[in-house]
Amino acid sequence: KQEVTQIPAALSVPEGENLVLNCSFTDSAIYNLQWFRQDPGKGLTSLLLIQSSQREQTSGRLNASLDKSSGRSTLYIAASQPGDSATYLCAVRLNSGNTPLVFGKGTRLSVIA
Amino acid sequence: DTEVTQTPKHLVMGMTNKKSLKCEQHMGHRAMYWYKQKAKKPPELMFVYSYEKLSINESVPSRFSPECPNSSLLNLHLHALQPEDSALYLCASSQPGERWQYFGPGTRLTVT
Repeated sequence: KQEVTQIPAALSVPEGENLVLNCSFTDSAIYNLQWFRQDPGKGLTSLLLIQSSQREQTSGRLNASLDKSSGRSTLYIAASQPGDSATYLCAVRLNSGNTPLVFGKGTRLSVIA
Repeated sequence: DTEVTQTPKHLVMGMTNKKSLKCEQHMGHRAMYWYKQKAKKPPELMFVYSYEKLSINESVPSRFSPECPNSSLLNLHLHALQPEDSALYLCASSQPGERWQYFGPGTRLTVT
């Protein structure tokens, strides 16, 4: 059974710092990996998606990498801002059908002004 | 339009009530999902509909009854819920073979 782990569970950084969030998964036979942002009490906002054949994806100050063979992904946030404060969830999808996402427990990020 | 909408945003119901949650998308997606999320926990899958047919039921109690009346709508009928069913209920959709899964804003359910 696929398990997704995110480390750290919580992170607090001063504004302007670059930071890395980690995600690992036990079964490397994934179809894709998706990073989400969730504000308290709100739904999920898709940030980046990496297909199993890709190594990284970038969007603005965000960069996600994927090392499928080792079962790891990282989300790099450059020049963090207080508005980046949220919970970041990593989720993997096992195949191209209608399979659901398997989520990690998330990393709660606080960026202090 | 890459939006999934959910109504209501908030719902408070007693244990004897019957209520329904609604989810709608107009992206032409043929797969729709219900997830349940407790506070400080990740979303957990409840149901998957594919081409309007139930394809996955993750052993959800019968007090939760999903319905997919057409390709754009997904309902979750609630009856005789327990206080521990209080959670954020998230709907999502995707196209078979589509890479992205799009989520709605959720319905915050409180059972009293």
